[in-house]
Amino acid sequence: DARVTQTPRHKVTEMGQEVTMRCQPILGHNTVFWYRQTMMQGLELLAYFRNRAPLDDSGMPKDRFSAEMPDATLATLKIQPSEPRDSAVYFCASGLGQPNQPQHFGDGTRLSIL
Amino acid sequence: GNSVTQMEGPVTLSEEAFLTINCTYTATGYPSLFWYVQYPGEGLQLLLKATKADDKGSNKGFEATYRKETTSFHLEKGSVQVSDSAVYFCALDAGNNRKLIWGLGTSLAVNP
Repeated sequence: DARVTQTPRHKVTEMGQEVTMRCQPILGHNTVFWYRQTMMQGLELLAYFRNRAPLDDSGMPKDRFSAEMPDATLATLKIQPSEPRDSAVYFCASGLGQPNQPQHFGDGTRLSIL
Repeated sequence: GNSVTQMEGPVTLSEEAFLTINCTYTATGYPSLFWYVQYPGEGLQLLLKATKADDKGSNKGFEATYRKETTSFHLEKGSVQVSDSAVYFCALDAGNNRKLIWGLGTSLAVNP
């Protein structure tokens, strides 16, 4: 089965460091989503792309977060500088962008900022 | 605006018990409705879906019926197993660029 691949699976770093998370969407999917999951806030949509163009990043703190799709096989989410409150699990999901079609999730990046 | 409300967890059941997790929604038009499941340490995966009123989605013994009159999409299973322990999310697709509106999730623990 085709899968969304996220790297790294785990990341521990110190406050102030840059963090880059990567996602390889399923081949042929034209919509990519970035989510953040925490116990307190649940699942939050940070940003999403269609055909590599950002459609909505209103869920993302603009001063420190950035999301890009350099090409159709790679999406990145960067945090610079990182803060302890950014500790969470970050999920990437991809989809066909058609009605009634589901989103397919990766296994996430578990990020801990010390 | 569009929203999804799920019953709060955690839900704890004994093996072979009957499961209901309530989900109600608010949306304009005719959204598609989904249940996703998240097993420990994994991402969310689609469990079942329904795309129009009175549709019943089913998978792995789970069922949910799209009830427009009550704006509900409750998840049910007749006999749960320990392996069903997970977090369950209800979501709707109102056609807004395929962005899903998510419930907060309901944690289910099934004891042997």
